[in-house]
Parts: sequence; C-alpha cells; structure tokens
Amino acid sequence: DTGVSQDPRHKITKRGQNVTFRCDPISEHNRLYWYRQTLGQGPEFLTYFQNEAQLEKSRLLSDRFSAERPKGSFSTLEIQRTEQGDSAMYLCASSSLRAGHEQYFGPGTRLTVT
Amino acid sequence: AQRVTQPEKLLSVFKGAPVELKCNYSYSGSPELFWYVQYSRQRLQLLLRHISRESIKGFTADLNKGETSFHLKKPFAQEEDSAMYYCALSDMTTDSWGKFQFGAGTQVVVTP
Repeated sequence: DTGVSQDPRHKITKRGQNVTFRCDPISEHNRLYWYRQTLGQGPEFLTYFQNEAQLEKSRLLSDRFSAERPKGSFSTLEIQRTEQGDSAMYLCASSSLRAGHEQYFGPGTRLTVT
Repeated sequence: AQRVTQPEKLLSVFKGAPVELKCNYSYSGSPELFWYVQYSRQRLQLLLRHISRESIKGFTADLNKGETSFHLKKPFAQEEDSAMYYCALSDMTTDSWGKFQFGAGTQVVVTP
C-alpha cells in the first residue's frame, strides 16, 4: 500500500457532462474525506465518511454532487451537469483514529470544465 | 463559525534567516491545530500538530490560546523549505474530529 491514490489525475469535460472520480484510501483507514481546492485557496471540506457511512456534507456541496463509499473501502465523487465553476482540484484524504486522525492526502484530480 | 487565517500569501526569505508563518484561528470549541506542507509537485503532507509538540525539519509551532494563534517558526531557513504551507484546524470534542478547516496557505520562497 503506497498511500492514497486518486483516479483520474486530470479530467477535462464539457459543461453539462457528468464526471466521476475515484479515491482509494490507505487500507486500514476507516475515515475518508473529500476536499476541493481552487487557485489561491486552501482545501475546502466537502464531505467525509466513516467506514461506509457518510457523516457530513458541506453546504458547498450542491445537489449535483454525490459521494459514495459502498463497502467502506474506495470512494467515488460524482458531479452531474458540470459547470465551469466546478473547475478545481479535488483532493481525497484518509485517516484512522489509531493514528490520531492524521490525514494522508492523495495527489488530487484536476477537473477542467470547458 | 470556525475560521483559519493566514495573512501572508507569500513569504520570501534568505537562506539562513529566520522564518515565521502566521496562523490565527477563531473557534469556540477545543481545537487541534496542524501545519501541512506541499512541496512542488508533491501531495499535501503533515508537517506537525500541536499536541505532539515535536520539532519537524527544524520547525516548531506553539499554540497560543490567548491570542488564538499557531505560528510556525524556523530559526534558519533552508532552500528545501521552499513550499506552500497550510495551517489547519480540527475540533477535538465532537464527532467532527478529523474534519479540517484549512487556511488559504502561505508560499515560502527561500533564496540563496
């Protein structure tokens, strides 16, 4: 296990299309987080899971966004009917209580909506 | 509402000079503070957290609850310290422990 991985690393899509991103956390981590980062800003919290349960969603997350973690392992983040304002870096992180919830980040998926 | 403020977007220092990155927070609960670092073309990684009281790569940070600050300091900057630094906060007393609020980040450039 070499850390948190995300796929794809880059995604270019046209406005109105749907996109889905995948995150594979560190295997023993029970928590998984999604963040969005735009230019010049720090990561903004979107949502997080403890095992398969989605515990919280940010008000930033419109109804076009949905996230799942069906078996408590990998997670997907889907954006429907993308808008240009969705262009950003989408970061995934995972943590475990045993490690004091130190978050390990993935490399991110850069989304460009044209 | 919790907020993390990093007032400097860019900090340029000479090698060997001291460097201090400011972080102020507003939060009514019991926060845990972190510094994360992102080197060029690498992912975000933890630099230090206040509860561990460790010095990592020569950096230290002290939580000042009176001034609600968690400034990051290093007495002698090195060129390899050039990176983006983010201050982050998490509430230790709720189920949201582990969920982070990040500052906007400070870009540090160390010139020889």
